[in-house]
Amino acid sequence: EAQVTQNPRYLITVTGKKLTVTCSQNMNHEYMSWYRQDPGLGLRQIYYSMNVEVTDKGDVPEGYKVSRKEKRNFPLILESPSPNQTSLYFCASSFGGAYSYNSPLHFGNGTRLTVT
Amino acid sequence: QQPVQSPQAVILREGEDAVINCSSSKALYSVHWYRQKHGEAPVFLMILLKGGEQKGHDKISASFNEKKQQSSLYLTASQLSYSGTYFCGTEFYGSSNTGKLIFGQGTTLQVKP
Repeated sequence: EAQVTQNPRYLITVTGKKLTVTCSQNMNHEYMSWYRQDPGLGLRQIYYSMNVEVTDKGDVPEGYKVSRKEKRNFPLILESPSPNQTSLYFCASSFGGAYSYNSPLHFGNGTRLTVT
Repeated sequence: QQPVQSPQAVILREGEDAVINCSSSKALYSVHWYRQKHGEAPVFLMILLKGGEQKGHDKISASFNEKKQQSSLYLTASQLSYSGTYFCGTEFYGSSNTGKLIFGQGTTLQVKP
């Protein structure tokens, strides 16, 4: 089944403790992206990747890191999480690459992160 | 830079129509529309690429007015299954913005029996 898989679904952690949210897709998509969703603010883009080893900042990249060493994986890293990073996170992918505007995004099921 | 959606929320009875607007202050290259049901991931509805383009998907259709930098989503004869939050996602002209899909804040639609 074609899908985007995020893990974990729920995560509660403490301020400053490094964490990684994994994202994997099995559709051979070039484009992958991370979003955070907060009430009233919609989906805000954190980082995106047009292909392997190519990543770029979205609108809210502060406090996050990403890497794209393989086409299928795009982990989101929070080196020192803070309470203002408590949010619902979505990973998404599409065929696009340089033509991301022409391809629908497939979203993972989300990761609800709480930082205390 | 974030597109503005209106209205923020709408309540309908089954069979009624609704229009959701997505407006941008910058020239748009493309507009995506997605629907998200409570507790689930957003699901793709359609993409519009050209100014003036219109698309349909069952009883849901959309238009893209490039000059007005605006897209509208039309829900006709709404069904209970249409309930959810609708997001527009926009890409702007300019190579530095390619790949940056910026979403609006969402419009919550509730369809009642």
